[in-house]
Amino acid sequence: EIVLTQSPGTLSLSPGERATLSCRASQSVSSSYLAWYQQKPGQAPRLLIYGASSRSTGIPDRFSGSGSGTDFTLTISRLEPEDFAVYFCQQYDSSPYTFGQGTKLEIK
Amino acid sequence: QLQLQESGPGLVKPSETLSLTCSVSGASININNYYWGWIRQPPGKGLEWVGSIYYSGNTYYNPSLKSRVTISVDTSKNQFSLKLSSVTAADTAVYYCARHGRRSSTSLNWFDPWGQGTLVTVSS
Repeated sequence: EIVLTQSPGTLSLSPGERATLSCRASQSVSSSYLAWYQQKPGQAPRLLIYGASSRSTGIPDRFSGSGSGTDFTLTISRLEPEDFAVYFCQQYDSSPYTFGQGTKLEIK
Repeated sequence: QLQLQESGPGLVKPSETLSLTCSVSGASININNYYWGWIRQPPGKGLEWVGSIYYSGNTYYNPSLKSRVTISVDTSKNQFSLKLSSVTAADTAVYYCARHGRRSSTSLNWFDPWGQGTLVTVSS
């Protein structure tokens, strides 16, 4: 089973700042089979990124994904108030399909 | 627009069977290249994939839950269902259903979209 470790656990930033979230896999994730989701309180997760760097439909271009192998990054270039949420990564290289424990992005 | 909606009892007694249904609207469940999955999230914790089913009935389960999980599909109602047997307090979670992309005959992709989720509490 591929274990995903996200860091930091909590990230405190201000609107307008740049956010960098990390997702590290316990073994290489082939072909960048990695997705990112955003979850706001009381809501279902929303797909942001798939294939490590492809934005899902309707996702603003301030969200970008990068990385390969075991290290992946979600970057939010300029934080908007609606971006403060919890972010999860998910690998779909192999079953069982696993998620990271999440990074909470909070307003500083 | 594709929408998914979970339904079922919000309270289940320990050792009993949890049963949930996901109703799909806006698209047919009989569609190639998509499975239909269940994911759960214990309160304040992360996400765990439970299992997924194709319209043909083919299933994939998380090995950690496989002995207790059954997922079925009813194409006539455009629904799929989850049964989790012998539940304990550790099974208390918000259960989400979601469309699960199919990459090949043996590999699946990301989840999109998701239902709103339903909280199931295991307690006597």
